Amino acid sequence: DAKTTQPNSMESNEEEPVHLPCNHSTISGTDYIHWYRQLPSQGPEYVIHGLTSNVNNRMASLAIAEDRKSSTLILHRATLRDAAVYYCILVYSGAGSYQLTFGKGTKLSVIP
Amino acid sequence: DAGVTQSPTHLIKTRGQQVTLRCSPKSGHDTVSWYQQALGQGPQFIFQYYEEEERQRGNFPDRFSGHQFPNYSSELNVNALLLGDSALYLCASSFYARSSYEQYFGPGTRLTVT
Repeated sequence: DAKTTQPNSMESNEEEPVHLPCNHSTISGTDYIHWYRQLPSQGPEYVIHGLTSNVNNRMASLAIAEDRKSSTLILHRATLRDAAVYYCILVYSGAGSYQLTFGKGTKLSVIP
Repeated sequence: DAGVTQSPTHLIKTRGQQVTLRCSPKSGHDTVSWYQQALGQGPQFIFQYYEEEERQRGNFPDRFSGHQFPNYSSELNVNALLLGDSALYLCASSFYARSSYEQYFGPGTRLTVT
């Protein structure tokens, strides 16, 4: 599986935007970029995914570099509830079953 | 929609014993994946079931086995428990035909082996 690199931890002030980076220099043309987050004492939660174009949903935005070797998850206004470990994962887009390969992720702390 | 449910929530077992964990997928999903998450680590893929067959398997020994039922629910069995099997066991469900889309995770079962 292609690997991703994320900072171990980041801090943000409440109600400010947060940009979580992810490097994936060995990404292939058939890989989607997925983001999941895991709040304390809970299972991971899907956040967003994209292939080439930037994506927005109610939770976040995903900005993908033109060469697809990096991406950024954007939380527009961080709340205390956004404190979690954020995982950037590459997922093969072909048909059939697939597995998620989690790294260590980025632990986001939100300061009131 | 109840989402993905898992039982039990917590479990304490002794080395050498066997354990069965259960998972009910989100309504309409047909694929179940199991993950093991050790303390402070990201989840590690164990295996995935679709149409009552194991479709993919991660790097886990044969002591880990599973089953999927006709209603898509699934069980994870672990035999001859070791102390190192202590972890949070997560179940995730998805659509097989939309395999590159999101997986929905349950809250997990916390297994402690003493």
